[in-house]
Amino acid sequence: EAQVTQNPRYLITVTGKKLTVTCSQNMNHEYMSWYRQDPGLGLRQIYYSMNVEVTDKGDVPEGYKVSRKEKRNFPLILESPSPNQTSLYFCASSSGISGNTIYFGEGSWLTVV
Amino acid sequence: KNQVEQSPQSLIILEGKNCTLQCNYTVSPFSNLRWYKQDTGRGPVSLTIMTFSENTKSNGRYTATLDADTKQSSLHITASQLSDSASYICVVRPYYGNNRLAFGKGNQVVVIP
Repeated sequence: EAQVTQNPRYLITVTGKKLTVTCSQNMNHEYMSWYRQDPGLGLRQIYYSMNVEVTDKGDVPEGYKVSRKEKRNFPLILESPSPNQTSLYFCASSSGISGNTIYFGEGSWLTVV
Repeated sequence: KNQVEQSPQSLIILEGKNCTLQCNYTVSPFSNLRWYKQDTGRGPVSLTIMTFSENTKSNGRYTATLDADTKQSSLHITASQLSDSASYICVVRPYYGNNRLAFGKGNQVVVIP
């Protein structure tokens, strides 16, 4: 079954404590990306990757890092989380970006206190 | 200013009735326009993808239309069911540039018995 898997699904953490949200896809997709979703703002892109070792900033990259060492994995790193990073995060993947379906993970609810 | 505007922001409809959601965009030129369905707390799921040359695309009871001249798209839901209660997100991919997608904030639909 085609899947984009995120972990953890739910997390409460404290300000400044580094955390990583993992994302893995089993469809051999080249394109992966991270989004955050906040009430009234819709989905906003944080970072994206066109392939292994190729990453680029989205619309709201501040406070986040990513890496793409393997095709299937695209972790999102919060080096020093702050309360304004409390949000619902989605990882997504697709076979290219042109006209192909984008598959989203189930989301990771992150609360920073 | 958001490049993708959706209306109405929210809508309540009776089960069995039809409804139409609107998406106006300023992205130009664009490569494709997508509609996604997002259940509360879940990841978005693709409904339709239309290129700039397509006028309509159906997926079961969902029919999307596109008018590239007026830069408008609509999503029509026929014979609504309780399971149609969700947020419907319009997404436009620019023809040029940096592979970033432009997301609308969504139409929140509630179907009541």
